[in-house]
Amino acid sequence: QSVLTQPPSVSGAPGQRVTISCTGSSSNIGAGYHVNWYQQLPGTAPKVLMFANTNRPSGVPDRFSGSKSGTSASLAITGLQAEDEADYFCQSFDSSLSGPNWVFGGGTKLTVL
Amino acid sequence: QVQLVQSGAEVKKPGASVRISCKASGYIFGTYIIHWVRQAPGQRLEWMGWINAGNGNTKHSQKFQGRVTLTRDSSASTVYMQLSSLRSEDTALYFCARMSGVYDSHFDYWGQGFLVTVAS
Repeated sequence: QSVLTQPPSVSGAPGQRVTISCTGSSSNIGAGYHVNWYQQLPGTAPKVLMFANTNRPSGVPDRFSGSKSGTSASLAITGLQAEDEADYFCQSFDSSLSGPNWVFGGGTKLTVL
Repeated sequence: QVQLVQSGAEVKKPGASVRISCKASGYIFGTYIIHWVRQAPGQRLEWMGWINAGNGNTKHSQKFQGRVTLTRDSSASTVYMQLSSLRSEDTALYFCARMSGVYDSHFDYWGQGFLVTVAS
């Protein structure tokens, strides 16, 4: 099963900017499929943070932004706040030979120092 | 508001089956596809399958071929996921999630998760 690769952890001080990368392949991100990002607080369900690469659902602060290029995508968080401490993971659609599939990154734990 | 409600947790013995429900509310049940995604301890989220709540069509990951059954009860606005021949590796938090579109889309609402523990 194709997967997306994320760094296990990132950290930053309050007010700083951090980025989380998501690397895929030619059967998912590189094929032009959208990348979506989710935030997951401990013990809770994931919440969509960014969809279709660069779109924020209503209610998500504009401190969060997304980008995509080639087989990779990134989530940027500016003006880091304590409440941003959570797990973040990316997701895309994959059309490999094994059949259509929805794939996820391994998740990145954001620590606000 | 849109809600997907999953309740409880279960402990199962290896070889048993588990059936998990996901009750939808706040939208027209039959107009969306519901996916099932699981998260084993320390592992990434893993897509299992989907069910079209409108017509009942389903598709599942090849990994779960022969073990997963997806059904729905439109009168109760509820979808179900049954996983059989459980093994220890199936210990995970199982989520239902609504997909906003068809294929190249995102999961816009999630259930709170149902914990399945497989242990002898």
